[in-house]
Amino acid sequence: NAGVTQTPKFQVLKTGQSMTLQCAQDMNHNSMYWYRQDPGMGLRLIYYSASEGTTDKGEVPNGYNVSRLNKREFSLRLESAAPSQTSVYFCASSDSGIGNQPQHFGDGTRLSIL
Amino acid sequence: DAKTTQPPSMDCAEGRAANLPCNHSTISGNEYVYWYRQIHSQGPQYIIHGLKNNETNEMASLIITEDRKSSTLILPHATLRDTAVYYCIVRVSRNTGKLIFGQGTTLQVKP
Repeated sequence: NAGVTQTPKFQVLKTGQSMTLQCAQDMNHNSMYWYRQDPGMGLRLIYYSASEGTTDKGEVPNGYNVSRLNKREFSLRLESAAPSQTSVYFCASSDSGIGNQPQHFGDGTRLSIL
Repeated sequence: DAKTTQPPSMDCAEGRAANLPCNHSTISGNEYVYWYRQIHSQGPQYIIHGLKNNETNEMASLIITEDRKSSTLILPHATLRDTAVYYCIVRVSRNTGKLIFGQGTTLQVKP
């Protein structure tokens, strides 16, 4: 059981380039999330998807877009990368819509913007 | 926001129980307490969660005080691989499911 799988694991971009971070879960979870983790800042929610077909902004959505492609997949896109987006990005998923079920995280994508 | 307070660091001898405390005095009646850990450069790993009853699973036990203002995570037989940052979390928003990760407790398991 793979759980939450993120690709790529590492990426280096130049300022202005675009890229899409991929996330897939095999636990049949309804809800999926994108966080970023920066030193001294903890994890901050970028976007989330409570169920297939819906997406909503989290606390730091600027500069990002998301697509809930199907129940399994939730992608995060940087249209024009900026150095401030250098971070570790984590995808997570949880069962049921929103409730007490815990979130399960992938191992992250380490993104550097030069 | 329902916030949590944890000691910044703790040591534990290998094979002994590790007891990690957490204060969440402003927790609301319907908010759960979650524990996660993060081993260096890996994603946060879910450990256990509970509302008001004590909980146990294959990884740990969770003891929640009767007034729900604090809890303790117990790793019964700590190993070197349990060295990590442990986060006590109270979910804030039932709309977003946003998890607020505080500073956590760095647990160092020593041989």
